[in-house]
Amino acid sequence: AQSVSQHNHHVILSEAASLELGCNYSYGGTVNLFWYVQYPGQHLQLLLKYFSGDPLVKGIKGFEAEFIKSKFSFNLRKPSVQWSDTAEYFCAVNAIAAGNKLTFGGGTRVLVKP
Amino acid sequence: NAGVTQTPKFRILKIGQSMTLQCAQDMNHNYMYWYRQDPGMGLKLIYYSVGAGITDKGEVPNGYNVSRSTTEDFPLRLELAAPSQTSVYFCASSYGQSSGNTIYFGEGSWLTVV
Repeated sequence: AQSVSQHNHHVILSEAASLELGCNYSYGGTVNLFWYVQYPGQHLQLLLKYFSGDPLVKGIKGFEAEFIKSKFSFNLRKPSVQWSDTAEYFCAVNAIAAGNKLTFGGGTRVLVKP
Repeated sequence: NAGVTQTPKFRILKIGQSMTLQCAQDMNHNYMYWYRQDPGMGLKLIYYSVGAGITDKGEVPNGYNVSRSTTEDFPLRLELAAPSQTSVYFCASSYGQSSGNTIYFGEGSWLTVV
């Protein structure tokens, strides 16, 4: 079974700082990769996803993620965060052979100080 | 489109009580899912369904039951509520199994068992 690890549980940043959230997964086969965001009191929303092709994926709100297959990683980045980026971020993996079921990481809570 | 709709949004149960969390989607999605979210644990899959009349266990099915009599609805039942079932529950849906099918989430149901 696949598993997903997010290295940081909590991140505190100031506005305009750069953000990078780590995500590693364990599964040897073909995967689809996702980053979801959950703003306070809201449901999960898709930030970006990787299925195939260019390993650098651009998502909404200035976020991007890079799939490095050799490192089983899919790190999320944003060059300059805003206060409105305060949220919890979840990395998720769908192992193709296991059907369309997502396995989530534990989440990273990001607090952006104004 | 309403997307994925869950009810109730908040509920407090006493130990041993039973209840049903309702979930409906209007996107004609074949796949539906129930996840629970616990702090620091990400989301864990409880049950899923690949179509009307078909349900399967996820990672943490104990203490829960589901049914899928229609494409639109996927209720989650707790028969004998336990404090360990205090959590946030998310229903989700997707079109199908092949890659490229994004999973859409409902707004969540906060359940407390006391």
